[in-house]
Amino acid sequence: KAGVTQTPRYLIKTRGQQVTLSCSPISGHRSVSWYQQTPGQGLQFLFEYFSETQRNKGNFPGRFSGRQFSNSRSEMNVSTLELGDSALYLCASSSYRDRGPYEQYFGPGTRLTVT
Amino acid sequence: EDKVVQSPLSLVVHEGDTVTLNCSYEVTNFRSLLWYKQEKKAPTFLFMLTSSGIEKKSGRLSSILDKKELFSILNITATQTGDSAVYLCAVLQGGSEKLVFGKGTKLTVNP
Repeated sequence: KAGVTQTPRYLIKTRGQQVTLSCSPISGHRSVSWYQQTPGQGLQFLFEYFSETQRNKGNFPGRFSGRQFSNSRSEMNVSTLELGDSALYLCASSSYRDRGPYEQYFGPGTRLTVT
Repeated sequence: EDKVVQSPLSLVVHEGDTVTLNCSYEVTNFRSLLWYKQEKKAPTFLFMLTSSGIEKKSGRLSSILDKKELFSILNITATQTGDSAVYLCAVLQGGSEKLVFGKGTKLTVNP
């Protein structure tokens, strides 16, 4: 079974631009979560999608948005980029079960550099 | 505020040593605790713990959860240089897929 894939792997943008990152979950997984990882803040939750619906959102400004498609693939968008948005953006997928918790598996990440 | 605290923040040992990494948490609506290993790439899943007192093992790694005292430990025996990585502890909150992460423990294993 293929793992979580993310594209692109690396990205360089300038301040004020916008960016779209893509994530394809493990086949059969319907939940996709996004995280931002920086040296100072560590891994922080951005949002989670299930069945094309955003179920939960972290404490990030409205410039960060996302969506999920019917095939469970997800995209996240960051508008009006700031230098502080430079980070590794990780996507994680998990299967859905009515009861019990379930593991999240991470993709390789997209390294975004804002200059 | 939900928080996960890992200690120590960094650790340097010699090959063959045994190490214990700690993770304490204060998170609302706890569902499970997960351990990940992160080298220079995405976190790799190690364990998920949901019940107190039940040890999970995978080779030289083992972990246990104490839901009464709100902590978990990750043990690595007979460490190898390949164990060098950042070990992340995260708590999964119920009702969402949100993982609350600790800052990680950076383990360096010297030959």
